[in-house]
Amino acid sequence: DAMVIQNPRYQVTQFGKPVTLSCSQTLNHNVMYWYQQKSSQAPKLLFHYYDKDFNNEADTPDNFQSRRPNTSFCFLDIRSPGLGDAAMYLCATSRLWVGRSTDTQYFGPGTRLTVL
Amino acid sequence: AQKITQTQPGMFVQEKEAVTLDCTYDTSDQSYGLFWYKQPSSGEMIFLIYQGSYDEQNATEGRYSLNFQKARKSANLVISASQLGDSAMYFCAMREGNQAGTALIFGKGTTLSVSS
Repeated sequence: DAMVIQNPRYQVTQFGKPVTLSCSQTLNHNVMYWYQQKSSQAPKLLFHYYDKDFNNEADTPDNFQSRRPNTSFCFLDIRSPGLGDAAMYLCATSRLWVGRSTDTQYFGPGTRLTVL
Repeated sequence: AQKITQTQPGMFVQEKEAVTLDCTYDTSDQSYGLFWYKQPSSGEMIFLIYQGSYDEQNATEGRYSLNFQKARKSANLVISASQLGDSAMYFCAMREGNQAGTALIFGKGTTLSVSS
């Protein structure tokens, strides 16, 4: 089945120790997103890739970076995690068709990050 | 002002009954999309149903239907014949415009509890 996969599902890191979260998709979608969802809150977009074009949300901290080496994979790098970065990180994908308004985002299962 | 408002923090329903989860939105765009997602305790964000701003008929997907009242700017989710597995957090979300990578704006969510 076509899907969005995130690894690992649970990640524990130490304060200040860099961590990388991965996302892969078999949907052949051209847009990939990273959202941060803190406990009991709604998801918040960090950035997205439209094909190879990277788009950062204005309030995304510099501590967060992303890479998309190919269509299928996208990585979220947290350079120096702080206690406030503990959250669920959700990857999503969508396919933008020219002339169509539908842009449904399909989410992966998420990676729950704990910072000690 | 909030763009997506979900006024029900929690809803309780018995199995096999129908339930309506409320959502109102605020946008000045003519073209927008409205989405409902289900998030079980495992954390995955599951797409349920989509309504485009130009769609004249209410969207339906199996037991889910979206009661779209454009003039009132409401997009309520109706779940018919509730099941125990429907217990989860439900998010209403909006995408404004048609550009690739537009962030979904989420409401604060409604926790649905289904009892036997």
